Amino acid sequence: GDSVTQMEGPVTLSEEAFLTINCTYTATGYPSLFWYVQYPGEGLQLLLKATKADDKGSNKGFEATYRKETTSFHLEKGSVQVSDSAVYFCALPTGGGNKLTFGTGTQLKVEL
Amino acid sequence: GAVVSQHPSWVICKSGTSVKIECRSLDFQATTMFWYRQFPKQSLMLMATSNEGSKATYEQGVEKDKFLINHASLTLSTLTVTSAHPEDSSFYICSAIEGRGRETQYFGPGTRLLVL
Repeated sequence: GDSVTQMEGPVTLSEEAFLTINCTYTATGYPSLFWYVQYPGEGLQLLLKATKADDKGSNKGFEATYRKETTSFHLEKGSVQVSDSAVYFCALPTGGGNKLTFGTGTQLKVEL
Repeated sequence: GAVVSQHPSWVICKSGTSVKIECRSLDFQATTMFWYRQFPKQSLMLMATSNEGSKATYEQGVEKDKFLINHASLTLSTLTVTSAHPEDSSFYICSAIEGRGRETQYFGPGTRLLVL
C-alpha cells in the first residue's frame, strides 16, 4: 500500500544552519504530497504542498520539490531559526476519501 | 482562512465518565472531517472519517461504541469518548476538508484528554 518514510530524528541544528529532512514515498500513481508542522502542544499546520511531479512547494522559507524519479519530497530550508523547532510530518493522500498517510515525524530542535 | 477550532483544549475527567470534544470549521463548510489520536512522540493515528449527515467510517481496531462521532452540520463534528478509562488518555486532533473533491486537510489545535 501507499506509504511514507521519513528520516528519523531528532535533528539538532544551530541557528542559521541548512536544514534537510528526507521524505520518500511509495504510491500508486502520482498523488499530491504534503509537509505539515506541529509546534509543541499544538495541532498540525499545513506547511507546503505539491500536486504534481517537478512542482516545488514553498512557504516561510521552506521548500520541497516533488521528484518522481527518486520518489522523494525532501524538506529544505536555507537558514533555520529557533522558532522552527517543531515536529515535521510528510504525508500523502491514500485509500480514497482523502485520507492522509503520515510519516513518523521528524523532530527538529534549533539552538542558538 | 481555513481555520479549525477544537473545544476544549484540555480536559481531565474521572474514569467511567464520558467526554465530548467539539471540532468546528470557522470560516468554511467542511463536508468531511477526520478524527486522529496521537500518543506522545508518535505520529497521528486516524480513528475515523466523518461525513456530514451520514454515519462515520471507523478505522480497523477503533471501537465505534467507545468513540461516538456525530457530524451534525457542515461546520461541526463531535467526538464523545464514552466511559473513559486511563488508557484513553491521549491527544485528540480533528481535521477538516473544505468542500467536495478537495484533498488538503486543515487541522484543529488538538484536545488533550487525561483520564484519572
